[in-house]
Amino acid sequence: EAGVTQSPRYAVLQEGQAVSFWCDPISGHDTLYWYQQPRDQGPQLLVYFRDEAVIDNSQLPSDRFSAVRPKGTNSTLKIQSAKQGDTATYLCASSPPGGRSYEQYFGPGTRLTVL
Amino acid sequence: AQSVTQPDARVTVSEGASLQLRCKYSYSATPYLFWYVQYPRQGLQMLLKYYSGDPVVQGVNGFEAEFSKSDSSFHLRKASVHWSDSAVYFCAVSAYAGGYKVVFGSGTRLLVSP
Repeated sequence: EAGVTQSPRYAVLQEGQAVSFWCDPISGHDTLYWYQQPRDQGPQLLVYFRDEAVIDNSQLPSDRFSAVRPKGTNSTLKIQSAKQGDTATYLCASSPPGGRSYEQYFGPGTRLTVL
Repeated sequence: AQSVTQPDARVTVSEGASLQLRCKYSYSATPYLFWYVQYPRQGLQMLLKYYSGDPVVQGVNGFEAEFSKSDSSFHLRKASVHWSDSAVYFCAVSAYAGGYKVVFGSGTRLLVSP
């Protein structure tokens, strides 16, 4: 089975520019997570969905970050006006329904550099 | 809310030596506990998981971890490390809050020297 895929793998922006990250979860996985991982730190949850519904977006900086999963499959994370502090790797993960819903499978991430 | 502490930011061991990476968690009940490994420019890969039963769980590539409720710990071990084990290791705790929310430790960077 194909794993979680993300694109692009790398992005370099100037401050103030916008950027979107795309994630395709494992087929059949109903829950999708977005994490931010600053350099030399652990991943920190930004938002997660079950199907198309947002379950928790309390850690998403809502003034500049947005995330959608309109059909309950692919998802897009967007940064409206990037800041240098947004420099990090953005990881997407998905988990299956039912008895293994506590397991998360990660994509390779998108490494963002904001100059 | 759950939390995870990995007290060692960096660990260096010689190839063939044994390894222990420490992890302490905080949660009111017994959560799901995980160890993940991250190789350079890659995502996280699950090494092993624990929820109940035998406190020693086996994972991939010869890794194992031991759960201790009394100590709130979930340390990772390997009997003999290989240079390819050099990577960053994350301990994580997952608990249900409308969905399974995972909290990661800050990670331990392992360097295996020849």
